[in-house]
Amino acid sequence: EVQLVQSGAEVKKPGQSLKISCKVSGYSFATYWIGWVRQMPGKGLGWMGIIYPGDSDTRYSPSFQGQVTISADKSINTAYLQWDSLKASDAAMYYCARLAPYSTYWDAFDIWGQGTVVTVSS
Amino acid sequence: QSALTQPPSASGSPGQSVTISCTGTNSDVGGYNYVSWYQQHPGKAPKLMIYEVNKRPSGVPDRFSGSKSGSTASLTVSGLQAEDEADYYCSSYAGSNNVVFGGGTKLTVL
Repeated sequence: EVQLVQSGAEVKKPGQSLKISCKVSGYSFATYWIGWVRQMPGKGLGWMGIIYPGDSDTRYSPSFQGQVTISADKSINTAYLQWDSLKASDAAMYYCARLAPYSTYWDAFDIWGQGTVVTVSS
Repeated sequence: QSALTQPPSASGSPGQSVTISCTGTNSDVGGYNYVSWYQQHPGKAPKLMIYEVNKRPSGVPDRFSGSKSGSTASLTVSGLQAEDEADYYCSSYAGSNNVVFGGGTKLTVL
């Protein structure tokens, strides 16, 4: 079964760093793009960026460029999303998702993780 | 403010059809045939329902269909069922390594 399992909820203070994970099973991790999507409380979705684990080719949305870092470790089939210095406005649910094999560009995610809630509060 | 504009709500009775619109610009919806639609039930991750404007992934009922005219894409749900009640989001490739989403539409089955 294809699964994306994300790390658990996090509670952090502004200024702290954070790295959340997305562990993949059931398919060849290196050969499918993995993206990250933000959902702020009670709000819509925001496309953050995407990585190809095979060669770590990474693309960022202009809105998130420089704000977060997306990475992947092929040896353990895991993708990551990290912040060096969290802000209160980073509080949200974060989803990882696999780009569908039939997707030509970056918009069609066919398999999603369960989400990681990030709380940022002093 | 979301890049793509969706109505905040839509509704219909069981068995009826409902259409949700998604309006963008020539830089996104109007410029590419890469519009997707997602269904999200409360507390759940989104689910891909339509990609490339009008294609359905395997397992998605054919009651769900997509179309596009100019810079407006649409999702039509025919033969509404209770389980269709959810939030629906459109997305579009917007060039330059960017994808934009709509603000979401809450579909209520009356």
